[in-house]
Amino acid sequence: DTEVTQTPKHLVMGMTNKKSLKCEQHMGHRAMYWYKQKAKKPPELMFVYSYEKLSINESVPSRFSPECPNSSLLNLHLHALQPEDSALYLCASSHYGTDNTEAFFGQGTRLTVV
Amino acid sequence: AQTVTQSQPEMSVQEAETVTLSCTYDTSESDYYLFWYKQPPSRQMILVIRQEAYKQQNATENRFSVNFQKAAKSFSLKISDSQLGDAAMYFCAYRSPYSGGGADGLTFGKGTHLIIQP
Repeated sequence: DTEVTQTPKHLVMGMTNKKSLKCEQHMGHRAMYWYKQKAKKPPELMFVYSYEKLSINESVPSRFSPECPNSSLLNLHLHALQPEDSALYLCASSHYGTDNTEAFFGQGTRLTVV
Repeated sequence: AQTVTQSQPEMSVQEAETVTLSCTYDTSESDYYLFWYKQPPSRQMILVIRQEAYKQQNATENRFSVNFQKAAKSFSLKISDSQLGDAAMYFCAYRSPYSGGGADGLTFGKGTHLIIQP
């Protein structure tokens, strides 16, 4: 199993809503990542979890709240988002602390904030 | 900080022909990793090919090969016998050997949109 599964595939939410994005992998990876990708742009790193602990937060606004409940799951809780937060949110996973390690990406959640 | 430059926003090639996508990068590190990722309309980022900077031999994966010129800081991707399924956005990416995992040190270029003409 070399899949990273993200749900939902699409999400439309209002600026006052609370929603969560989910990401799951069963490859035994101990590093998981959230990326944000705007249309026709490269992905931008948001958060990194290593061994279920937040190790990198790229100055992301607090309306995005990550959570890693166990080594297979990664959530991104959304609250009071702005229309400019509309984007593709990609989850990725990899081994941690080894050289030449490949990152596996999910298909992303297309988020629209209205 | 490292930078990755892809100077071709869009490329078009006839099916079965060969196309080369360009990538240059800037770094002060002597050891690093370079990648080409493919992102089709399905949105998933898929690793196409990987090159370790300490290896002089160019990486190949079936129809995909790279021309790695370390001194020139150039890392181009050649796709031979182009197929309709190769149509996608292609991102060149750099990773420092000092990053802890596979995706936290990735610096991406802006991407090249590859169109395959039937």
